[in-house]
Amino acid sequence: ELKVEQNPLFLSMQEGKNYTIYCNYSTTSDRLYWYRQDPGKSLESLFVLLSNGAVKQEGRLMASLDTKARLSTLHITAAVHDLSATYFCAGETSGSRLTFGEGTQLTVNP
Amino acid sequence: EPEVTQTPSHQVTQMGQEVILHCVPISNHLYFYWYRQILGQKVEFLVSFYNNEISEKSEIFDDQFSVERPDGSNFTLKIRSTKLEDSAMYFCASKSGVTAGELFFGEGSRLTVL
Repeated sequence: ELKVEQNPLFLSMQEGKNYTIYCNYSTTSDRLYWYRQDPGKSLESLFVLLSNGAVKQEGRLMASLDTKARLSTLHITAAVHDLSATYFCAGETSGSRLTFGEGTQLTVNP
Repeated sequence: EPEVTQTPSHQVTQMGQEVILHCVPISNHLYFYWYRQILGQKVEFLVSFYNNEISEKSEIFDDQFSVERPDGSNFTLKIRSTKLEDSAMYFCASKSGVTAGELFFGEGSRLTVL
């Protein structure tokens, strides 16, 4: 059974700073997803990572995947207040069932 | 842009009542899912559905839960006799293929059981 762990669970950072959220998973996963969720809202897909060494960037967010280490990272560059949200990683197993991490609640302070 | 639509957005019900949550997946998608998220917690898989039958279900999806695709467009989740602990946000999702394509989530239906 796939288990997904994120850390940190809570992250408070200042605008302009950089930080990384880590996502470890326990067994082979077909794909690794990153989602953003604003309070009371749905899940917004940020990245889908398919293979070892995959790196994707969108604006101030960059995601990477190391399948050998079973680790994905979400790096935030020069954070801005608008990035405040909860970020989830999720691993996909056969049949495309997603197993989500606990989520990282990010607060970016001015 | 195509989207997954869910109704109702919020439903309040009494414990023991039956609830049906509705979803209209993206039109050319073949794989359908329900997930739930208890307030403040992570998103949990409930069930996947393909070719008019359940492909996989989690331990959460017990006999109180059922899914149905009553016509060519709707995909429903029924909870027969709601319990307090069923209070959560329920997300429907769909995908074009099991190995290809992105999983799209609906806006969610918030269920409050009193």
